[in-house]
Amino acid sequence: ETGVTQTPRHLVMGMTNKKSLKCEQHLGHNAMYWYKQSAKKPLELMFVYSLEERVENNSVPSRFSPECPNSSHLFLHLHTLQPEDSALYLCASSPWTSGSSIQETQYFGPGTRLLVL
Amino acid sequence: GQQLNQSPQSMFIQEGEDVSMNCTSSSIFNTWLWYKQEPGEGPVLLIALYKAGELTSNGRLTAQFGITRKDSFLNISASIPSDVGIYFCAGHPDGANNLFFGTGTRLTVIP
Repeated sequence: ETGVTQTPRHLVMGMTNKKSLKCEQHLGHNAMYWYKQSAKKPLELMFVYSLEERVENNSVPSRFSPECPNSSHLFLHLHTLQPEDSALYLCASSPWTSGSSIQETQYFGPGTRLLVL
Repeated sequence: GQQLNQSPQSMFIQEGEDVSMNCTSSSIFNTWLWYKQEPGEGPVLLIALYKAGELTSNGRLTAQFGITRKDSFLNISASIPSDVGIYFCAGHPDGANNLFFGTGTRLTVIP
């Protein structure tokens, strides 16, 4: 148990569906992240939120839409996905010290295994 | 983007043997992290390194932050079946905010 929970753990959706992934952290962190993990590829950073503001958007298609209503919750809204979007979606959190050159360690949730048909 | 070369890609070892894996980068890193991921789960942090030359242990695991700041290694002593999983290195390059990951080392321990 890392203190980061994700729901659902598994999701199957059609290309025309709309669904949302949820992440919640109980660690008192103020930064949250979405990663995509595909087979045989390094983890790909998708979005970073610090103090509920998006600070990073790594050229992710607009069919992925993140939302961070507060420092403990992060959502990833999915709409008209493609089969190649099937992957494990991981949420992580960390402390965030503004202006610091010392980067903080990230703690991961268990992931949502997504299959797009 | 930043690339981390992690080796070996996979290992098959007998229970009780020691394991060594490493990670190299083309540029200087400020932190090195080692994570383990088991099937159906997210990566779990094993060891974090913040200073060149730092050697840190966590039970049977030992990791070092290379002096050149461009590499790190992870050793597992006296492996047991529950060590099975994929081990990822990760790090923050100098001057970058993002965390970059290696492609992982898949470890299989044969009882």
